[in-house]
Amino acid sequence: SAVISQKPSRDICQRGTSLTIQCQVDSQVTMMFWYRQQPGQSLTLIATANQGSEATYESGFVIDKFPISRPNLTFSTLTVSNMSPEDSSIYLCSVAQRNTEAFFGQGTRLTVV
Amino acid sequence: GQQLNQSPQSMFIQEGEDVSMNCTSSSIFNTWLWYKQDPGEGPVLLIALYKAGELTSNGRLTAQFGITRKDSFLNISASIPSDVGIYFCAGNNAGNMLTFGGGTRLMVKP
Repeated sequence: SAVISQKPSRDICQRGTSLTIQCQVDSQVTMMFWYRQQPGQSLTLIATANQGSEATYESGFVIDKFPISRPNLTFSTLTVSNMSPEDSSIYLCSVAQRNTEAFFGQGTRLTVV
Repeated sequence: GQQLNQSPQSMFIQEGEDVSMNCTSSSIFNTWLWYKQDPGEGPVLLIALYKAGELTSNGRLTAQFGITRKDSFLNISASIPSDVGIYFCAGNNAGNMLTFGGGTRLMVKP
């Protein structure tokens, strides 16, 4: 399975600021995804990060709030913009292999105060 | 959208007992996946199921892909303290986008 590194692992941020989360994979992958896991909840897909084109966002998530970059096949960033306490969650990067199996980074635990 | 109903939401069992949890869906999936998440970590893939009726084992874990393609179960035999965590089922169709169940929080009493 791919090794996925996320940075930072956790952060405490002031409301109104933005945080960029990085995801680095040890091999080239076609599909990269960003998920949100709110406290005590399951995982919800934010968007699919496409290399060379704009990310594809799921219902309820917009590019202005969660801009995503995918400059190459091993790296992606997710920015949480203009943060509010409701954005406090774990944000997870995921990659897909063998067309169906998804592997996750360790997550970024974000607290907005 | 698709919804996965996972049950039970939590279990508190004695070490050595067997555990069973399941997921049901309102629509079919081509692949079922089971993950475990430890505190402060991302989900780790335990078992992947690709065919309806498939029964797959990974050590003390056994999972089955339901014949209707709308359900799956995960069994853990002879639980040990390190089995503690949250278990998630996930269904996958096209595009590798997973739909997750709500999770089963497992607690094991030594």
